[in-house]
Amino acid sequence: AQKITQTQPGMFVQEKEAVTLDCTYDTSDQSYGLFWYKQPSSGEMIFLIYQGSYDEQNATEGRYSLNFQKARKSANLVISASQLGDSAMYFCAMREGLSSGSARQLTFGSGTQLTVLP
Amino acid sequence: DTEVTQTPKHLVMGMTNKKSLKCEQHMGHRAMYWYKQKAKKPPELMFVYSYEKLSINESVPSRFSPECPNSSLLNLHLHALQPEDSALYLCASSHLTKNEQFFGPGTRLTVL
Repeated sequence: AQKITQTQPGMFVQEKEAVTLDCTYDTSDQSYGLFWYKQPSSGEMIFLIYQGSYDEQNATEGRYSLNFQKARKSANLVISASQLGDSAMYFCAMREGLSSGSARQLTFGSGTQLTVLP
Repeated sequence: DTEVTQTPKHLVMGMTNKKSLKCEQHMGHRAMYWYKQKAKKPPELMFVYSYEKLSINESVPSRFSPECPNSSLLNLHLHALQPEDSALYLCASSHLTKNEQFFGPGTRLTVL
């Protein structure tokens, strides 16, 4: 089974509007972290936001917020007031075994290509 | 210094060549990672180093040989690659106990 599922291969949003990118995950761990990365066409993976499984409040970073619904195993990214520069591929990722104290890989979803229209 | 640097940015090599990719970070991170990414796909983990020791090898072919000479440097030595190895190679680093991985800009590799 897929550990991270992003069901929207492509999304369009009008400049200055808000957009939600979906992400669901599957894990049996109690301690895990969820991440969103942005990847412009240049290739660099840019960290946007992080949510720990034990964090009670939804994470926010500027125009980015993470809508974390633990029971539904979803971690949707909300971008408010979209800008043209937000056009990029967005990946949801998960790190399991947070309490292990060892380096662990990130498991990525398939990504959502966001296009912001002027 | 909060960045991961990678050199070269682009690399074209023949199937008989030997080349190396280099990654450097000065954030004091003790975990470093190599990922391979094909176009329109998510990154796939290749190797993980913890305290300069290889801790994860995701069954990567031996034509890819990682090396971690010190806590700031990570190399990926390439030999006898195939055209299907053409991809974006991303390096990342992180603290062991913190979760965020910082990525470099990547090396776009083309194997002819």
